[in-house]
Amino acid sequence: DTEVTQTPKHLVMGMTNKKSLKCEQHMGHRAMYWYKQKAKKPPELMFVYSYEKLSINESVPSRFSPECPNSSLLNLHLHALQPEDSALYLCASSQVEGRTEAFFGQGTRLTVV
Amino acid sequence: GESVGLHLPTLSVQEGDNSIINCAYSNSASDYFIWYKQESGKGPQFIIDIRSNMDKRQGQRVTVLLNKTVKHLSLQIAATQPGDSAVYFCAENEEYGNKLVFGAGTILRVKS
Repeated sequence: DTEVTQTPKHLVMGMTNKKSLKCEQHMGHRAMYWYKQKAKKPPELMFVYSYEKLSINESVPSRFSPECPNSSLLNLHLHALQPEDSALYLCASSQVEGRTEAFFGQGTRLTVV
Repeated sequence: GESVGLHLPTLSVQEGDNSIINCAYSNSASDYFIWYKQESGKGPQFIIDIRSNMDKRQGQRVTVLLNKTVKHLSLQIAATQPGDSAVYFCAENEEYGNKLVFGAGTILRVKS
């Protein structure tokens, strides 16, 4: 199983809402990532978790709050977002050691209204 | 056909021709590189990777070349097919940690 599953596929939220994006993998990967992708742009790294601990935060605003409850799950909690936060949010996972490819989910298309 | 640059250029090739997609990376500490293909509405899909102790690696119809001296990476696709139409990204992984950073990307359009 080389699948990374993201839910929901689409999300529309108001600027005062609180919502969460979810990501799950069962490949035994201990590194998990959140990326943000705007149209016609490359994925932009937001957060990296290694062994369930936050190892990289690319200066992401606090309205985005990541959580890694266990080795298979990764959440991204959203609160008080702005319309410019509308984007495709991608989750990925990989092995921590040994440098191997990261597997990506299909993403959550987020629209902030 | 060949593309150069970091500003999402478009490469148009005829079906059956070979394609060359280029990528310039910035971090001399990067030691692992990946090419991804992204189709519309989907997440990036792994194509091929290469480590910094190699300068060439071949897969099925694809070859990646790495020139560490000038920090340049290329993806060659042989006998390009309509199904190869997508955006192609190179990604670099720094020597320490799991920081995987994407380059700007190239749109590949295959004409039948």
